[in-house]
Amino acid sequence: AQTVTQSQPEMSVQEAETVTLSCTYDTSESDYYLFWYKQPPSRQMILVIRQEAYKQQNATENRFSVNFQKAAKSFSLKISDSQLGDAAMYFCAYRSAEGGSEKLVFGKGTKLTVNP
Amino acid sequence: NAGVTQTPKFQVLKTGQSMTLQCAQDMNHEYMSWYRQDPGMGLRLIHYSVGAGITDQGEVPNGYNVSRSTTEDFPLRLLSAAPSQTSVYFCASSSDRRYSGNTIYFGEGSWLTVV
Repeated sequence: AQTVTQSQPEMSVQEAETVTLSCTYDTSESDYYLFWYKQPPSRQMILVIRQEAYKQQNATENRFSVNFQKAAKSFSLKISDSQLGDAAMYFCAYRSAEGGSEKLVFGKGTKLTVNP
Repeated sequence: NAGVTQTPKFQVLKTGQSMTLQCAQDMNHEYMSWYRQDPGMGLRLIHYSVGAGITDQGEVPNGYNVSRSTTEDFPLRLLSAAPSQTSVYFCASSSDRRYSGNTIYFGEGSWLTVV
């Protein structure tokens, strides 16, 4: 079974600075998808960024980018120019690419605090 | 733009009571699933469905029952509520990844407390 590990329960960053959240995963599959979700205090699950394992290029979405290292099974999230609204729980998630497998496996999350 | 709608948002139950959490999506998605989120944990899969009439168990299925009679609806039933089922519940849906770009849509969550 696949597992996802987020080793940083809490992180903090100064407004306008850059922060990197770590995620590692374990799988024997070669094709899969990885995601970062943001969960603010409202508990809504917001997709931040996704990466297809077959793509070598790292995904970027505005101030958010990932460092995807397939061999090392590492998938870190970099937030540039941090804003107060970025404060939230961040979850890393794995999804198999096998047909009919629509379930996500989540890490335990990293609580990000943004200091003004 | 309704997306994924969960009801109720908040519920308090007594131990032993039964209830149903409702989930509906208006995007004609084949895939629907239920997750629970406990303090200090990520979301864990309870049950999922790949289409009407087809359901399967996830990681933590005990104490829950599901059915999928229509594409739109995927209710989660708690058969005899226990304090260990106090949690936040999320319903999610997605379409065939070949067409959807792998986006999974989540409802806003249902807070359940069992006393």
